[in-house]
Amino acid sequence: NAGVTQTPKFQVLKTGQSMTLQCAQDMNHNSMYWYRQDPGMGLRLIYYSASEGTTDKGEVPNGYNVSRLNKREFSLRLESAAPSQTSVYFCASSDLAGGVYEQYFGPGTRLTVT
Amino acid sequence: AQSVTQLDSQVPVFEEAPVELRCNYSSSVSVYLFWYVQYPNQGLQLLLKYLSGSTLVESINGFEAEFNKSQTSFHLRKPSVHISDTAEYFCAVGFFSGGYNKLIFGAGTRLAVHP
Repeated sequence: NAGVTQTPKFQVLKTGQSMTLQCAQDMNHNSMYWYRQDPGMGLRLIYYSASEGTTDKGEVPNGYNVSRLNKREFSLRLESAAPSQTSVYFCASSDLAGGVYEQYFGPGTRLTVT
Repeated sequence: AQSVTQLDSQVPVFEEAPVELRCNYSSSVSVYLFWYVQYPNQGLQLLLKYLSGSTLVESINGFEAEFNKSQTSFHLRKPSVHISDTAEYFCAVGFFSGGYNKLIFGAGTRLAVHP
């Protein structure tokens, strides 16, 4: 069981470039999430997917799009990167139906936008 | 609305000393409470959780937290810390909304254990 995996681990982009962050989970969880972590601000929810086929905005969705490709995979896309999107991005998953109340996190993607 | 306040951004402590990391929350709905730990350059790992029942919950590595409903607090304690406990600790409240379980995180407390 790999849990939640994320690729890439590190990325440097120039302003205006685009990229997609990949996330996959092998725990058969229904819900998946994308967070960003900035110093002194904890984790803030960008987008979430309660189940396959659905996605919804979180607290800080501007500048991002997501795709729930299937039950396992949930990707985050930056269409035109900005320096304000420099952050560490975490993917997580959980499952209400299985009585799993906590979220399980991936190792993160450290993104720098210059 | 739900919010979490971690009262200390940094806590320096000597090895083998006791430590308390403070967490207060506010919520208009029933919540679950969590402490997550993040070691340097790693993701978040669940340390312990309160869902219901006994208000004192423990982790496998000696941490404990007590849910206090009247004070809306969930402080994390350890009677004797090790160098390996150096990490950032996040308090979070969880609740069900729109068909999924949502987490609201505090800003984090950086625990630095010195020899």
